[in-house]
Amino acid sequence: GAGVSQSPSNKVTEKGKDVELRCDPISGHTALYWYRQSLGQGLEFLIYFQGNSAPDKSGLPSDRFSAERTGGSVSTLTIQRTQQEDSAVYLCASSLALGQNTEAFFGQGTRLTVV
Amino acid sequence: AQSVTQLGSHVSVSEGALVLLRCNYSSSVPPYLFWYVQYPNQGLQLLLKYTSAATLVKGINGFEAEFKKSETSFHLTKPSAHMSDAAEYFCAVRLSGAQKLVFGQGTRLTINP
Repeated sequence: GAGVSQSPSNKVTEKGKDVELRCDPISGHTALYWYRQSLGQGLEFLIYFQGNSAPDKSGLPSDRFSAERTGGSVSTLTIQRTQQEDSAVYLCASSLALGQNTEAFFGQGTRLTVV
Repeated sequence: AQSVTQLGSHVSVSEGALVLLRCNYSSSVPPYLFWYVQYPNQGLQLLLKYTSAATLVKGINGFEAEFKKSETSFHLTKPSAHMSDAAEYFCAVRLSGAQKLVFGQGTRLTINP
């Protein structure tokens, strides 16, 4: 696709359920990032992939959060036993290659609401 | 430690007035610097980035930013605000040797008619 695609765009789930959020990066982009944006907060880094490996997963808030990337393309962020504080917009971004002035392209986000 | 600070969570200016959004970084080595804009219910879009080729960087939609090492700042400006500039603006840094982008808290810009 032309841009970073995230699905679903909106997700409402009951407390305690597991959810999976999907990110399709721009074709050919080797780096992929997940961020969380809570109401009134900035963007909180969660994890970053280079290819299929995650050199930096320092931002994952707890062991309920995990992410994987397969084929150097699609990534899935999984939240187990969701809590109300997990409600946020989850943003995915991708960039062409390692390079410190390389820009990241963002998807529209998945708005997660835990009720 | 906070790597990037945006002063002012809300800024309001009149249409046609100067826009100034402040960003300071905390790093002994100048990082790579970016400004992103987020329109309501949309993802983030790159406005401009500092590449060390020039201290004054021009971006899209008439915005520009000046890198000042002595002040550890990368403030965003636009000479004349337009109603369509109403959005949230994020300053971001990528520290030397790191890959992740660290974002400021964001500044919500409101334009008054």
